[in-house]
Amino acid sequence: EAQVTQNPRYLITVTGKKLTVTCSQNMNHEYMSWYRQDPGLGLRQIYYSMNVEVTDKGDVPEGYKVSRKEKRNFPLILESPSPNQTSLYFCASSIRAGPDPNNEQFFGPGTRLTVL
Amino acid sequence: LAKTTQPISMDSYEGQEVNITCSHNNIATNDYITWYQQFPSQGPRFIIQGYKTKVTNEVASLFIPADRKSSTLSLPRVSLSDTAVYYCLLILTGGGNKLTFGTGTQLKVEL
Repeated sequence: EAQVTQNPRYLITVTGKKLTVTCSQNMNHEYMSWYRQDPGLGLRQIYYSMNVEVTDKGDVPEGYKVSRKEKRNFPLILESPSPNQTSLYFCASSIRAGPDPNNEQFFGPGTRLTVL
Repeated sequence: LAKTTQPISMDSYEGQEVNITCSHNNIATNDYITWYQQFPSQGPRFIIQGYKTKVTNEVASLFIPADRKSSTLSLPRVSLSDTAVYYCLLILTGGGNKLTFGTGTQLKVEL
């Protein structure tokens, strides 16, 4: 089954304790990205990756890191989490970036993170 | 960067047609218009995408006027299960491949 998976789905942690949220897709997609969703603010893009070893900042990259060592994986790293990073996080992938009639984004199930 | 504007919320009843309009005055020549649907605690799901005129699939229709400064998502005969947030999204060619979702339109369908 074609899908985007995220782990963990739920995570409660404390300020300053490094964490990684994994994202994996099995569709051989080139483009992957991370979003956070907060009440009243919609979905905001954190980082995106055009392909292996190519990453770039989205709208809210502060406090986050990413890597793209393999095409299928795009982990989100919080080196020193803070309470303002408490949010619902989504990973997404698509065949490629840019305008294309068949270029829909496939989203993962989400990771709900709470930083105390 | 082109920005989209949608109504914050809309209410409807089962069986009615719902039209959600999105404004994008600064849309670029090569940008596509895409709509997503999101249920609570789930990731958004692609609904429809278009460039100009009208696009129709099994779920919805998308109407885009000639100037492309707005678009309208049309959901025929909605049901309770169509209650969700609907996002209008521009696939930007000049924005460094960043994707920008707005706050979406919360559609509530009642009996």
